[in-house]
Amino acid sequence: AQSVSQHNHHVILSEAASLELGCNYSYGGTVNLFWYVQYPGQHLQLLLKYFSGDPLVKGIKGFEAEFIKSKFSFNLRKPSVQWSDTAEYFCAVKSADSWGKLQFGAGTQVVVTP
Amino acid sequence: DAGVTQSPTHLIKTRGQQVTLRCSPKSGHDTVSWYQQALGQGPQFIFQYYEEEERQRGNFPDRFSGHQFPNYSSELNVNALLLGDSALYLCASSLAGSGNTIYFGEGSWLTVV
Repeated sequence: AQSVSQHNHHVILSEAASLELGCNYSYGGTVNLFWYVQYPGQHLQLLLKYFSGDPLVKGIKGFEAEFIKSKFSFNLRKPSVQWSDTAEYFCAVKSADSWGKLQFGAGTQVVVTP
Repeated sequence: DAGVTQSPTHLIKTRGQQVTLRCSPKSGHDTVSWYQQALGQGPQFIFQYYEEEERQRGNFPDRFSGHQFPNYSSELNVNALLLGDSALYLCASSLAGSGNTIYFGEGSWLTVV
C-alpha cells in the first residue's frame, strides 16, 4: 500500500538551531514530492517541490530538501531556524502522472523557542 | 493569500444531518480537489473534479459527494453525518495536468455533535 511516513510528530528547538525533518514514502512508479507548511491559523502553503532533475531542491524561506531515490526519502532541512518557523510541516507525495491526488504524512509540529 | 476561498469557515451539525461546503478556486484554475484533515493527522484525499466531473476518488464512502460548476467552483456534500466526520475540510485548486502547483484554501471546520 502507498504510504508516507514522517519520523517525528513534535520537534522543539531553539532559534538558530538547525532543523531536519524526515520523510519516507512507499510508492510504486515515478513520484513527485512536496513539503507544505501550515502556520497557526493559516492555510497550507507550498515550501518546495521535486519533480525531476537536481535532487537537492531549494524552496522558500531558506528551506531545502534532498530526494534520495534509493532510500525513498525526501528530508527537509533549514540551517538556522527562526521563531517564525513555528508551524506544522507536511510531506506529501503523488504519482507523477496524477493531477492532484496528494498523499500526506501525518505532519510534524515544530516549535521554535526564542 | 492563496486565492482559494472556502465557506463556511466553521459549522456545527448534528449526527444524521447533511452538510454542504463550498469552494472557489484560485483565479485561472480549473481543477478542484477536496481533502479531509482530522485532528492530528495529515489531509486525506476525498475526490477531484475537472470539467464538472469527478476525475479521481479516494477511499471515502458514497455519503461524500461533490459537484463542480461551469465557473469551476465546487461543493462538497456529506450526508448522514457521523461523529467521525468532524474534521477540517480543505479545498485545493490547480490547473489541469500533472505538473502544476496545488494551492489550498484555509478550510471549513466541521463539528458533528
